[in-house]
Amino acid sequence: QVQLVQSGAEVKKPGSSVKVSCKASGGTFSSYAISWVRQAPGQGLEWMGGIIPIFGTANYAQKFQGRVTITADESTSTAYMELSSLRSEDTAVYYCARGVGGSFPEPGYFDYWGQGTLVTVSS
Amino acid sequence: EIVLTQSPGTLSLSPGERATLSCRASQSVSSSYLAWYQQKPGQAPRLLIYGASSRATGIPDRFSGSGSGTDFTLTISRLEPEDFAVYYCQQYGSSPGTFGQGTRLEIK
Repeated sequence: QVQLVQSGAEVKKPGSSVKVSCKASGGTFSSYAISWVRQAPGQGLEWMGGIIPIFGTANYAQKFQGRVTITADESTSTAYMELSSLRSEDTAVYYCARGVGGSFPEPGYFDYWGQGTLVTVSS
Repeated sequence: EIVLTQSPGTLSLSPGERATLSCRASQSVSSSYLAWYQQKPGQAPRLLIYGASSRATGIPDRFSGSGSGTDFTLTISRLEPEDFAVYYCQQYGSSPGTFGQGTRLEIK
């Protein structure tokens, strides 16, 4: 059974950066795409970008280009999402999710999800 | 990017009734690469349907998906109390993958 376990909640100041981790277990980490999806309070789902760990190349939504960096460490089966220049509008729950059924850079559909990490941006 | 529009925004029904949720794309979704998710408060989304009509593992057969091109439908044949939630469609045929804004299914 695949499990994605994310790091804990964060409170950040505007202008700073946050790095969220997503540790996978129970599956073959390297050959599946891992995407990051965020959800602002009371809002819908927004795909930010993804990576296939075995290739190491990330693909980002244009909205986040230049502000988000997605990486993966095959040795620890962990993916990371770093978002910089934080502003209040970045307050959201950030999910990692395993993507299947797609052909990179398409993200695929998401069959397993992490539990979510709440990032609060406040002065 | 492909914009997905879900309707209605809110659907009020009673247990035992049939629910029909719509997802319309701004351009054709290649290879019917469309998925549906269910999300309950405080939980991560759960995959229900992929490839427009294939049920994910463990999903009851009262959930069914249909459609192609730009028009897709999620049908719940007989609503159970645990089905009241928010439902999202997602296209994954082109990058960026995009989600609809969601349909809230509430108890009447």
